Amino acid sequence: EIVLTQSPGTLSLSPGERATLSCRASQGVSSSYLAWYQQKPGQAPRLLIYGASSRATGIPDRFSGSGSGTDFTLTISRLEPEDFAVYYCQQYGSSPTFGGGTKVEIK
Amino acid sequence: QVQLVQSGAEVKKPGSSVKVSCKASGGTFSSYAINWVRQAPGQGLEWMGGIIPMFGKANYAQKFQGRVTITTDESTSTAYMELSSLRSEDTAVYYCARGSLYGSYFSPFTYWGQGTLVTVSS
Repeated sequence: EIVLTQSPGTLSLSPGERATLSCRASQGVSSSYLAWYQQKPGQAPRLLIYGASSRATGIPDRFSGSGSGTDFTLTISRLEPEDFAVYYCQQYGSSPTFGGGTKVEIK
Repeated sequence: QVQLVQSGAEVKKPGSSVKVSCKASGGTFSSYAINWVRQAPGQGLEWMGGIIPMFGKANYAQKFQGRVTITTDESTSTAYMELSSLRSEDTAVYYCARGSLYGSYFSPFTYWGQGTLVTVSS
């Protein structure tokens, strides 16, 4: 099983600031089968990024993903009030797994 | 527009089973993976298993092997997840989530149901 470790656990930032979230895999992720999801309280997760760097339909371009192999990053260029949420990375190769999540909170 | 609508909340006794449904509309039901993901209160996301209806055979996370069964009914475009031998640690919101890559398990989870709360309590 591929274990995904996200850091930091919590990120305290102000609207307008840049957020950088990290996701490290215990072994290489095949063909960049790496996705990022956003989850707000009481809601289902929403797909943001797939294939490590492709934005899902309707996702604003302030969200970007990068990385390959074992190290991946989600960047939110300028935080909007609606971006404060929990973010999960996921590898969707054989036997999908999720990271533990990073909470982006208002400073 | 793909929509997944799940069945309502359940309260179950330890040792019993629960079966949650996920009805899909929009798109072609049989060709895309339906996955089940759970989230315990205040915790992260955990993949339980998935199935592509046209192939019929489900894949399960090792943790749930022998305790979870995922099936589909193509006539009603509905997927089911049955979890047996319930214990208090199974209290969670259970989500179905559909992929967007034709005939492949290697797909991000693009569409999600609203979630079903299963509470296990004596």
